[in-house]
Amino acid sequence: QVQVVQSGAEVKKSGASVRVSCRASGYTFTNYYIHWVRQAPGHGLEWMAMINPSGGSTTYAQKFQGRVTLTRDTSTSTVYMEISSLRSEDTAVYYCATSMVVALGVWGQGTMVTVSS
Amino acid sequence: QSALTQPPSASGSPGQSVTISCTGTSSDVGGYDYVSWYQQHPGKAPKLMIYEVTKRPSGVPDRFSGFKSGNTASLIVSGLQTEDEADYYCSSYAGTIPVLFGGGTKLTVL
Repeated sequence: QVQVVQSGAEVKKSGASVRVSCRASGYTFTNYYIHWVRQAPGHGLEWMAMINPSGGSTTYAQKFQGRVTLTRDTSTSTVYMEISSLRSEDTAVYYCATSMVVALGVWGQGTMVTVSS
Repeated sequence: QSALTQPPSASGSPGQSVTISCTGTSSDVGGYDYVSWYQQHPGKAPKLMIYEVTKRPSGVPDRFSGFKSGNTASLIVSGLQTEDEADYYCSSYAGTIPVLFGGGTKLTVL
């Protein structure tokens, strides 16, 4: 079955970078976009970015442009999200999810990123 | 671009129907038939319930339905069950922003 599995929780200091992975299985990796969505504690969902695994093209929300980078490794069906210059406001659960158009059909289990000063 | 507007809370008794609204603009909800709805239980990942305004993914009960009129989309949950108690988020394609979320609605089953 289609699934995406994310890497484990991270604790980082302010100013550091973090990389979260999202490994897809059960389908042809290049057929679906992968999106990243975050949810701060007690808050709603916030769309961050997406990547087309076929060609590697990316789209970022303006808020994250320049600080978030998505890459993919087609040999392992894995997408990576790196966030640089972490600040306390980046403390959140980060989700990856697949889409064919823009509906996010299959979600990962979430990765908690905690940023401490 | 601002988030889509949802009521913070909604409620209903078991067996009743409840409607959750999602208001945007002609640049998002009103301009495209790409409205989705997600259900999220505490501590869990969101789950797609409705896509392209009215379509249900396989496995989603037909108690869940969606429609759109102008710049407002709605999720209707009929025959409320206790397991429907959750947070619900709408989203829409918005041109330069592929996924624009609403602020979320907490549905309580009384």
